[in-house]
Amino acid sequence: RKEVEQDPGPFNVPEGATVAFNCTYSNSASQSFFWYRQDCRKEPKLLMSVYSSGNEDGRFTAQLNRASQYISLLIRDSKLSDSATYLCVVNGADSGNTPLVFGKGTRLSVIA
Amino acid sequence: DTGVSQNPRHKITKRGQNVTFRCDPISEHNRLYWYRQTLGQGPEFLTYFQNEAQLEKSRLLSDRFSAERPKGSFSTLEIQRTEQGDSAMYLCASSLLGGAKNIQYFGAGTRLSVL
Repeated sequence: RKEVEQDPGPFNVPEGATVAFNCTYSNSASQSFFWYRQDCRKEPKLLMSVYSSGNEDGRFTAQLNRASQYISLLIRDSKLSDSATYLCVVNGADSGNTPLVFGKGTRLSVIA
Repeated sequence: DTGVSQNPRHKITKRGQNVTFRCDPISEHNRLYWYRQTLGQGPEFLTYFQNEAQLEKSRLLSDRFSAERPKGSFSTLEIQRTEQGDSAMYLCASSLLGGAKNIQYFGAGTRLSVL
């Protein structure tokens, strides 16, 4: 089983749609969880951290279910500029900045 | 620009040549990481440093890969006797030990093409 698994893409959605991405991770001792965004041929950039209580940042909502080892990202009112690859990322059990483990990413295309 | 800086941005080399990439982290960050990313995959961890100490290097892909961070500031990643399979994007990231949620910030990467 891969350490971090994501929905295969691509997701092609119209502007204004709501889209959800799912991710599972295998290391139950993982402590930190993130969604990164990566534009074509660019570096990954942090979109948001993911907390057990769930967190929201504008149109983006992230959820973590530790019992199921499941992470989700919801994007509401999709914009053309949301088109990118979304990477589910998990840190190790060591709380001290251990290397990140990335999923393969899910590609989103928002269409006018 | 106070972000993570990588040089060169692109490198084209012939099979069998050695290449070296440089990463300058965010100035106050004491941890520095190297990742490799191939098409259609997420970044894959290679090695990392805390200050000048290399804390993990078992994930380096082969003994042709090596990294240094001699003064705890910039780092170099060297690939000896390059092979076509080494063609990829090499990403550097940095973070502050004890910083908020272990967030790592990435440079723009060095894209390597081995002919």
